[in-house]
Amino acid sequence: GAVVSQHPSWVICKSGTSVKIECRSLDFQATTMFWYRQFPKQSLMLMATSNEGSKATYEQGVEKDKFLINHASLTLSTLTVTSAHPEDSSFYICSARNLIGQGEAFFGQGTRLTVV
Amino acid sequence: RKEVEQDPGPFNVPEGATVAFNCTYSNSASQSFFWYRQDCRKEPKLLMSVYSSGNEDGRFTAQLNRASQYISLLIRDSKLSDSATYLCVVSGFNKFYFGSGTKLNVKP
Repeated sequence: GAVVSQHPSWVICKSGTSVKIECRSLDFQATTMFWYRQFPKQSLMLMATSNEGSKATYEQGVEKDKFLINHASLTLSTLTVTSAHPEDSSFYICSARNLIGQGEAFFGQGTRLTVV
Repeated sequence: RKEVEQDPGPFNVPEGATVAFNCTYSNSASQSFFWYRQDCRKEPKLLMSVYSSGNEDGRFTAQLNRASQYISLLIRDSKLSDSATYLCVVSGFNKFYFGSGTKLNVKP
């Protein structure tokens, strides 16, 4: 199946610093990628939809100035958590939709962010 | 109301049992439906798409009922390795919506 690579897989950072997470589709072009956050024992929550060459679409309640999304190419989207705080500690997962076939989504490995 | 609702479980079943999960969705305009499997602390992986006519993949059978707006997943002859959280996913207008997941524990 299609491959989506996410990096880093885990990161620990100090409060107030920024963290960038990369999401790459390795064998298909993704005009749209999605960013999710998952807290322990909770479901995936869509944060934003990343559109290549244009601004991301954020879900209600997600601060666009705090979670900066850039989708500069058809194979790369980045999420930057700015001025991170401990409550931002979570599991962040990206996905890209393969428009060939049934249009299913493939997920990156996820990034476990811990802010101390 | 949530876009997608699932019974969180857990479903505790013995090896060899048959178990079924249901999932309801709220948007009648939803276009695509999937079941994903998520193991602890890992990313979701596609288990199977759900077609209108129903589909089967080995021990797994998925069905869609558009009139009642629900999706089901049936697992036959459960294996220990089937233990995971099963996520119902509904797609429409280029967005994916996830259920909270149903946890399955298959015990020896």
